[in-house]
This record gives sequence, structure tokens and C-alpha cells, in this order.
Amino acid sequence: GNSVTQMEGPVTLSEEAFLTINCTYTATGYPSLFWYVQYPGEGLQLLLKATKADDKGSNKGFEATYRKETTSFHLEKGSVQVSDSAVYFCALAYSGAGSYQLTFGKGTKLSVIP
Amino acid sequence: GAVVSQHPSWVICKSGTSVKIECRSLDFQATTMFWYRQFPKQSLMLMATSNEGSKATYEQGVEKDKFLINHASLTLSTLTVTSAHPEDSSFYICSASPTGTGANVLTFGAGSRLTVL
Repeated sequence: GNSVTQMEGPVTLSEEAFLTINCTYTATGYPSLFWYVQYPGEGLQLLLKATKADDKGSNKGFEATYRKETTSFHLEKGSVQVSDSAVYFCALAYSGAGSYQLTFGKGTKLSVIP
Repeated sequence: GAVVSQHPSWVICKSGTSVKIECRSLDFQATTMFWYRQFPKQSLMLMATSNEGSKATYEQGVEKDKFLINHASLTLSTLTVTSAHPEDSSFYICSASPTGTGANVLTFGAGSRLTVL
């Protein structure tokens, strides 16, 4: 079956530090890959996505590249801010009308300190 | 943008009672909604797919008589935890996307934290 593995948290960084959250997946075929973010007390929000190999998703300074050869979709940001403190989830799905189901990783909690 | 509202955001109940959680799509219609359960430090686990006007589709291992799902309209799905026990304490999250779209546009509710005493 499909699965997503994320690095264990929590991750604590100082402001302006470089962030990497590793994500690898197991799936058949060619899934779409997602990063979701969950701020304290809020629902999940789509942060970025990539739908095919070598695509790079980016948003709010975060980036992730779909690497089929390594089945990875690592999340990176060059300079984190306190406001980036949240839980980050990597997920995959086979996208398209009617193909809704997401498989999530366990989430990685990020804390950014001033 | 699309908004999904869940109510209540948190609830505490006694063992043996039933609790209903609502999931509403506020500005779009959703033929299908999804219910997830999230344990501390764990991933979101899909419990069931809620289909408007028909029976929900439950994931393997999820008791359909325990977790009753009703999707009575294109904007509302409800999850009822029947005869709740402490092990049912968890964070329940719903998601939905506009009818005819895919996983790319899923919107999640803020979640409902259930504590069973």
C-alpha cells in the first residue's frame, strides 16, 4: 500500500536558520505529492504541491522537489521565521476528479525561536 | 477561498454517551467529505468517506456502528460517536473539496477534539 515517512520531530530552530524536513514515500504509479501545514488551533492548509517528477512546488519561501528516483519530497526553507512554527505534514494522493484520498505522514512539529 | 467549518471545536463527554460533530462547507458544495482521526504525534488516519445521499464508505478497521456518518446535504456531513469510551478520545478532522475536483483542492476543517471521561 501507499505510505509516507517523515522525519521525527520536534524540530527547534533559531530564526533565520535553514530548514529541511525530510519526506519519503512508497506508492505505485505516479502520485501527486503535498505538504500541508497546521498552525496551532487551526485546520490543515495546503502549503505546496507537485504533480509529477522533477516538479518543484513553492509557496511562502518553502520549496519541495518531487524526486522520483529517490521517492522523496523534502521540504526546505532558507530562512525560517517565528511565524513558521507549526506542524508540517507530507502527503500523497492520486489526483484527479474523484481521486481524493490522501495518505499522510505523521507530521513534524517545527518550533522557531527568536 | 473555500472554507470548511467544524463544530464543536472541542467537547468533553461522559463514557457511554453519544457525541455529534458537524462538518460544513461554507461556500461550496461537496458531494464527498472525508473524516480523519488524529492521535497525538500520529498521522491523520482516514476513517471514512462521506457521500451525499448515500451510505458512507468506511476504511478497514473502522466500526461503522460506532462512528455513524450522515451526509444529508451538499454542505453538511455529521459524525456521531456512539456510546463513547475513553479510547475514542481523539482529534477528529473533516475535509471536503468542491464537487468534481480532486485532492489538489481539499480544504480541511480546524478539527474537533473529543475527550471522553
